[in-house]
Amino acid sequence: NAGVTQTPKFRILKIGQSMTLQCTQDMNHNYMYWYRQDPGMGLKLIYYSVGAGITDKGEVPNGYNVSRSTTEDFPLRLELAAPSQTSVYFCASTKQVAGYEGYTFGSGTRLTVV
Amino acid sequence: QKEVEQNSGPLSVPEGAIASLNCTYSDRGSQSFFWYRQYSGKSPELIMFIYSNGDKEDGRFTAQLNKASQYVSLLIRDSQPSDSATYLCAAPGSSNTGKLIFGQGTTLQVKP
Repeated sequence: NAGVTQTPKFRILKIGQSMTLQCTQDMNHNYMYWYRQDPGMGLKLIYYSVGAGITDKGEVPNGYNVSRSTTEDFPLRLELAAPSQTSVYFCASTKQVAGYEGYTFGSGTRLTVV
Repeated sequence: QKEVEQNSGPLSVPEGAIASLNCTYSDRGSQSFFWYRQYSGKSPELIMFIYSNGDKEDGRFTAQLNKASQYVSLLIRDSQPSDSATYLCAAPGSSNTGKLIFGQGTTLQVKP
């Protein structure tokens, strides 16, 4: 199994550009999440989804958008990139709520906005 | 706003010693906790899940939960240089969404 696949792994954006971070999982998990991690910090939740067609904001949603048209895919859209969005972005999924299995994380996307 | 707090460290221990990592949380209703290990430049990986008060052991790792005092700890016995990483504590943000609230992580350095 591939688990959670994120692309790209690295990207440099100019201020004002837009991009989509891709996230795909092949484990048939209903629950998917996008987190960002700034240097020396923990993970902050951007958006999450509890199933296809259902998304909701997390702690730091401003400047981002998501969609969930299928169980497998949960892309994160950055519109009008700003330096404050320079971060490492992790996509994660889980099979059940409050389960002991925790999250399966993707390998991350390191984004720099200049 | 639920919070999970950790001392960012770094915590430095000699090889073979016991490393003790601590985490406090604000929501008295939190029932379960996760410990993730994150190597530099890598994604977090789950190492422990604890649900009930008391201790849970898995190999060299022991998680301890004290709900009355609202803290959870991770003990690593016989620390190895390969244990050098950042350890993230996490608690559920709500009961029906699977959201996790992460602490800022504690960096552990195990010196040979």
